[in-house]
Formats: sequence, structure tokens, C-alpha cells
Amino acid sequence: EVQLVDSGGGLVQPGGSLRLSCAASGFTFNTYWMAWVRQVPGKGLEWVANINQDGSEKYYVDSVKGRLTISRDNAKNSLYLQMNSLRVDDTAVYYCARDPERLPFDYWGQGTLVTVSS
Amino acid sequence: EIVLTQSPGTLSLSPGERATLSCRASQSISSRYLAWYQQKPGQAPRLLIYGASSRATGIPDRFSGSGSETDFSLTISRLEPEDFAVYYCQQYIRSPRTFGQGTKVEIK
Repeated sequence: EVQLVDSGGGLVQPGGSLRLSCAASGFTFNTYWMAWVRQVPGKGLEWVANINQDGSEKYYVDSVKGRLTISRDNAKNSLYLQMNSLRVDDTAVYYCARDPERLPFDYWGQGTLVTVSS
Repeated sequence: EIVLTQSPGTLSLSPGERATLSCRASQSISSRYLAWYQQKPGQAPRLLIYGASSRATGIPDRFSGSGSETDFSLTISRLEPEDFAVYYCQQYIRSPRTFGQGTKVEIK
């Protein structure tokens, strides 16, 4: 059974940092692109970033470029999102998602809430 | 960036009724790169439909998708109590992958 477990969210002040993690199981992690998608509470979904199988390709939505960094550790079947210079408008639930090539996000983590507030 | 516009914003229906949700794209995305998701409160989105009309694994056949180019629809033939939720369309032909703003299907 495919499982994605998100963790690492919390309350952080503007300008602060946080590192999100996603533990994957039930599939061959190193054969899939992976992604982070966020959702402001009560609002819609926004793709944030994705990464290819070996981590050599990374793409970001414009609003997070230079501040958020996606990475992965295939030996640990884990995906990460390093979040620096956080802003109030980064407040959201962050989901990791499996990102099959030429297909939509087919499995999602349960999400982890990041709150940026002073 | 491809903008997806969903309508209506809210659909108020009774169990057993038919629901038809619309998703319009700002440019053509063919019929292969449009997906629909269901999201219930406090849960992650669940993939329902991909390629505009193919049901994802385990999705009941009361859910069907259709459309091509810029106009797509999701139909729930007979609403079950567990179908009341928010539904999002998404395009995955071009980066950034974008979502519609969602349609809430609520109990009338």
C-alpha cells in the first residue's frame, strides 16, 4: 500500500525557517518524481515544487523561488522541503504528493500545517 | 500560466440526484491532461479522474469525466452521502500545474 507521511510543520515567525519531511513507503521511491502542494486553510490548492527521480531537476512556483528548496534522500525514501525566509502568506497546509510522469498527483500525504505569524 | 475556472462555486443537491461540475481552461490542454480530485474536510485530495475521463483505481463508476480542449465536466450520476465534498480540476500538460478554485457539492 502506498503511504506518504508528512511531518515538520509548526508555528514560525516571519523570516524564520522550517524543514518539512515526507516519508514514503509501499512503492519504489527512486523511480518517481515527487512534489509539494500547499493549501491555505479554506482556500484552493497550489503546486509548490517538484523534483525528479535522482534530484537533478527541480522546479518551483515563482512565489517561492530562492526561499524554498525541495530535495530527496532515496536511501531513506524521503522527500524534504527546506523553507527559509518564511512570509505570512506561506501559511498553509503542505502536502507531499507522488508525481508520476505525464499523470496527475496520484497519492498524497495527510498534510502538515505551517503557520507563519509573529 | 493556464487558468482553470470552475462553475458553479457551490452546488446544492439532495442524495440520489445527479451532479454536473464544469471546468474551463484558458487555453487548450487536449483531453489527456485534465484531472479531477475530491477533497473532504481535514483530508488530503483524492484523485478521481485523469486523462479527462479515466477513473483512478477504486473510484466508483457513478463518477465520470468528459470534455476536451478547453471545456471539461465531472458528473456524479447519483449522489451518495459520502460524495458531498469539494471538487477540484487540475491541468498537468504545462508547468506550473494549476488547479481550479473548486466546486463545493453540499447537501440541500
